[in-house]
Amino acid sequence: EIVMTQSPATLSVSPGERATLSCRASQSVSSNLAWYQQKPGQAPRLLIYGAFTKATGIPARFSGSGSGTEFTLTISSLQSEDFAVYYCQQYNNWPYTFGQGTKLDIE
Amino acid sequence: EVQLLESGGGLVQPGGSLRLSCAASGFTFSSYAMSWVRQAPGKGLEWVSHINSRGATTYYADSVKGRFTISRDNSKDTLYLQMNSLRAEDTAVYYCAKSAAMSGWYFDYWGQGTLFTVSS
Repeated sequence: EIVMTQSPATLSVSPGERATLSCRASQSVSSNLAWYQQKPGQAPRLLIYGAFTKATGIPARFSGSGSGTEFTLTISSLQSEDFAVYYCQQYNNWPYTFGQGTKLDIE
Repeated sequence: EVQLLESGGGLVQPGGSLRLSCAASGFTFSSYAMSWVRQAPGKGLEWVSHINSRGATTYYADSVKGRFTISRDNSKDTLYLQMNSLRAEDTAVYYCAKSAAMSGWYFDYWGQGTLFTVSS
């Protein structure tokens, strides 16, 4: 099983600032990496797939990068609605696995 | 508009059984793989089970293998999860999730989730 490790567990950032979230895979997942956003009481929402392709309707301030084992989700200028938990997920090998999540807090 | 509506949650005793359903609409259900993903209270996401578009291929997380069975009825646009020998650690919100392709891939749409609790 591929283990996905996200860092940091919690990130405190002020609105308008840049946030950088990391995700590391225990072995290469090529570019088969997705990012999801989850707000309290809601289902996850797909943000990024293929490591860097934005899903439909996702604002330009979200961007993904990386391949192999190291991936990054960047939010260029945080808006109030961006404070949530973010998960990465690999879909290169079964079982598909998620990272433990990064909580983005308002500083 | 893609919609996924789970049902079947509730309270079940340890060792009991339950069947979850997920009614799909807004897309050609028979063309896409589907999965169940769960989230224990206050915890992260855990993929549980996958079924391909035709129902011919299924996968399970080790934590549920031999106890859970995923199935689908493409004539009814509905996904199911039969859960037997339930344990306290199965307590979670269960989401059905649509895969982006026939055989799997990332999850582009999620249902709102259904909660069930395993407790005596």
